[in-house]
Amino acid sequence: DTAVSQTPKYLVTQMGNDKSIKCEQNLGHDTMYWYKQDSKKFLKIMFSYNNKELIINETVPNRFSPKSPDKAHLNLHINSLELGDSAVYFCASSQANRGRETQYFGPGTRLLVL
Amino acid sequence: SQQGEEDPQALSIQEGENATMNCSYKTSINNLQWYRQNSGRGLVHLILIRSNEREKHSGRLRVTLDTSKKSSSLLITASRAADTASYFCATDHGGSNYKLTFGKGTLLTVNP
Repeated sequence: DTAVSQTPKYLVTQMGNDKSIKCEQNLGHDTMYWYKQDSKKFLKIMFSYNNKELIINETVPNRFSPKSPDKAHLNLHINSLELGDSAVYFCASSQANRGRETQYFGPGTRLLVL
Repeated sequence: SQQGEEDPQALSIQEGENATMNCSYKTSINNLQWYRQNSGRGLVHLILIRSNEREKHSGRLRVTLDTSKKSSSLLITASRAADTASYFCATDHGGSNYKLTFGKGTLLTVNP
């Protein structure tokens, strides 16, 4: 069974559209993350939720809005998509209360904005 | 910036050789982790070393940490073609937000 899953795997859309990416983890973890990986493979944290509470909100445009309906899900909605949003978006999860633990990554969502 | 930096950016070796990748960081850490990313896939955790540890082994992997130099190295012994991937170090600098800061990665190519 997949530990951290994301949908969709690929997303091709026009500039100005609104889109959502979904993430689910079945590991029982209490913390979930969204990362953006650019074309040079640089991986940057965007958001993190711990027990459904936002704990990391890096310098990300307001067009990006995360939502965590429960501990197992963290979705990312993007309004008014721009060309520069093209990237691979990774969801990850960890169990924070066991100390500084490792993060488990999803397979990524490849977003291409035309 | 706390960002880790790996070097080299790219490394090409023959199967059976050892591969060494280095990571440097700028501020004190709680722990340092190494991840692997195969082409088109998500990152997979390889090994975690805490700030009070100097060396750790896992199978063919050996990680060292020198907190005085703020650097770490990942050694893969007896490399295989399947080890071809990008390798990232990630640093945990403490704080309450469980944030990891990733380096830019080393692309390792192991030629059969």
